[in-house]
Amino acid sequence: DIQMTQSPSTLSASVGDRVTITCRASQSISRWLAWYQQKPGKAPKLLIYEASNLESGVPSRFSGSGSGTEFTLTISSLQPDDFATYYCQHYDSYPLTFGGGTKVEIK
Amino acid sequence: EVRLVESGGGLVQPGGSLRLSCAASGFTFSDHYMDWVRQAPGKGLEWVARTRNKANSYTTEYAASVKGRFTISRDDSKNSLDLQMNSLKTEDTALYYCARGSIILGSRPSFDIWGQGTMVTVSS
Repeated sequence: DIQMTQSPSTLSASVGDRVTITCRASQSISRWLAWYQQKPGKAPKLLIYEASNLESGVPSRFSGSGSGTEFTLTISSLQPDDFATYYCQHYDSYPLTFGGGTKVEIK
Repeated sequence: EVRLVESGGGLVQPGGSLRLSCAASGFTFSDHYMDWVRQAPGKGLEWVARTRNKANSYTTEYAASVKGRFTISRDDSKNSLDLQMNSLKTEDTALYYCARGSIILGSRPSFDIWGQGTMVTVSS
C-alpha cells in the first residue's frame, strides 16, 4: 500500500500569511494526488485534483504543485474561512489512501 | 442541485450487520464511479470501497480492512448506492460518507461531491 505522510500535523498562522502544507508518498504516484478541505462537522471538499488543477469554484489563493513523491498545497494569503483541516489523497492505485491531515489553526 | 444523502446508520452490536444507502440527485448517476469513505471519531479519512460505472462493468474495489465483510452495490435505475456491512467490529465505528468520482477527460476520478455522512456505532 502507498503511505501518504503530511507535514506539519498542525500549523498556526495568521490571516494574510502564506501557508504551505507538504504531502509525501511512499512511492511514486505520478500526479495522481488530490487535496481536500474539511471543516468541523462538515464533509470534505475537493480543492485540487491531479496535483495542481484547481477545482471549479475554489478560490485562486489555493494552489498545488509536485509530482512523483513530493507535493505541496499552498494558500497564498490565508483568509478567515481557510481555518480547517486539509487532507491529501492519492489515486494512483488501490487501496486509495489519505494523509493524516494538517490542521490550520489561528495564531 | 447535485446532492448525495446517506441513510441507514445506527447502533449495532459487534458481529452484527447494517446496510447503508446513498441517494443521489442532480446529476447522471450512472456515468460516475461511486465510493464510500469513512472517518472514525476525531480521526482522519479512510477509503472503504468503490464501484465503477456500467461502462466499466460495475467492478468493485475494497480496502483490506473491510474486504470479505462489506459489499458495495448500486442501482442506476434508482440513483442509489448501498454498502452492506456484515461481521461488524468496534473498529468500524465511524461516520460513513458517500462520495462521487469525478469525470474529467483523460484523468482519473477524485472525490468531487460528498454527502453529509451517516454514523455507524459498533458497540455492545
